[in-house]
Order: sequence, then structure tokens, then C-alpha cells
Amino acid sequence: GESVGLHLPTLSVQEGDNSIINCAYSNSASDYFIWYKQESGKGPQFIIDIRSNMDKRQGQRVTVLLNKTVKHLSLQIAATQPGDSAVYFCAENVPRGGGSNYKLTFGKGTLLTVNP
Amino acid sequence: NAGVTQTPKFRVLKTGQSMTLLCAQDMNHEYMYWYRQDPGMGLRLIHYSVGEGTTAKGEVPDGYNVSRLKKQNFLLGLESAAPSQTSVYFCASSRPGTSGRGTQYFGPGTRLTVL
Repeated sequence: GESVGLHLPTLSVQEGDNSIINCAYSNSASDYFIWYKQESGKGPQFIIDIRSNMDKRQGQRVTVLLNKTVKHLSLQIAATQPGDSAVYFCAENVPRGGGSNYKLTFGKGTLLTVNP
Repeated sequence: NAGVTQTPKFRVLKTGQSMTLLCAQDMNHEYMYWYRQDPGMGLRLIHYSVGEGTTAKGEVPDGYNVSRLKKQNFLLGLESAAPSQTSVYFCASSRPGTSGRGTQYFGPGTRLTVL
């Protein structure tokens, strides 16, 4: 069945370094991907998304890369700050009938710790 | 614009008690979802709704019921709580659309403990 997984369950970086969080997906039909950030005690927060017809998308300090050949997604955070400490997880959408998507499959997450 | 709100934030129940979790969104989203999040399990879909008056089962629906009487509200009910339902519950909403527009926006969560 479908699965979304992460290569690294924990990642520890120094403040100011760049962070890279990885995600593998198994369904080649997935057409849309999202990265979420979840701080302790809070709900998941949308960070950035990418469609399958793109291989890169940039936001403010974040970049998502999509490699459909190897079914791999990554989130790059530039100049990581202590406020970036959180669990990050990816989600994928597999298109369903009718052209309207409404269910996402979520990965388990990677805990990012930023050391001052 | 409050986004997605959930009440209550915390609740402790005894086995066999019932309760209702309320989710409200002010983004005029058609779709709403209830998830539970357990350590090491990620988000699991309980029930969802694609419009007012409609509901459907997700991945782990047993022991839960839902209702969507108003577009902005999605209620999750536990008729007879069990310790296995101890979890953090998240509500989310999204608007319909073709590929690339299904981003779900989450509420702050309800932490439920069943003794």
C-alpha cells in the first residue's frame, strides 16, 4: 500500500547551519506533496508544498526538492534558528477519481533540534 | 480569521464515559477531517467530511462517530471511551480542488486521556 517515510528520525544542527530533512514516498502516482512543521504541544503547520510537475520550490528560508525518479522529497532550511526546532513531516496526495483530492498520507516525522 | 479551532484543549475521561469534541473553521472550507496522533504512529485519519451533511470513515473509525450539520463545524463523538482512545486529536480542513490545492490546515489539538 501507500507509504510515506523519513530517512532520519532525528536531526541535530547548530544554529546558523543549513538543515536537510528527507522523505521517501512509495506511490509514483502521488501528484502533490506538503511539508508540515509541528512544534511541541501544537498542531501541524503548513510550511511549503510542491506539485509533481515541479522539481524545486522555494519559500522564505525553505526549499523543497522533489526527485520523482527515486521518489524522494527533501526540505532544506537555510540558516537554521532555535525557533525551527520541531517535528517536520511530509504528506503526499494520490489523486482520486473526480479530479478532487481530499486525503493525504502523512509520514511519521523527523525531530529537528537546533543547538544555540 | 481564527482558522481552525478546537474545544476542549484537554479532557480526562473515565472508561465508558462519552464526550464530544468540537471543531470549527472560518475559512469556508468544504472538507473537514479528524485525526488522532499517537507516539510513533503519525497522523491517522478517523473520519472526514466532504461537505455539509456528509461524513465518511477514515483509517481508524471504530469507536467514534461524527456529524457535520453545519459547514463550519465538525463534531467527533466518543460514545463509550476506552483507554485505547487516549491520544491527541486534531481537526483539519481544506478546500476542494484539483491537484495541488488540497492543503489541510490544522487546529491546535485536543489532548484526551481515558482512565
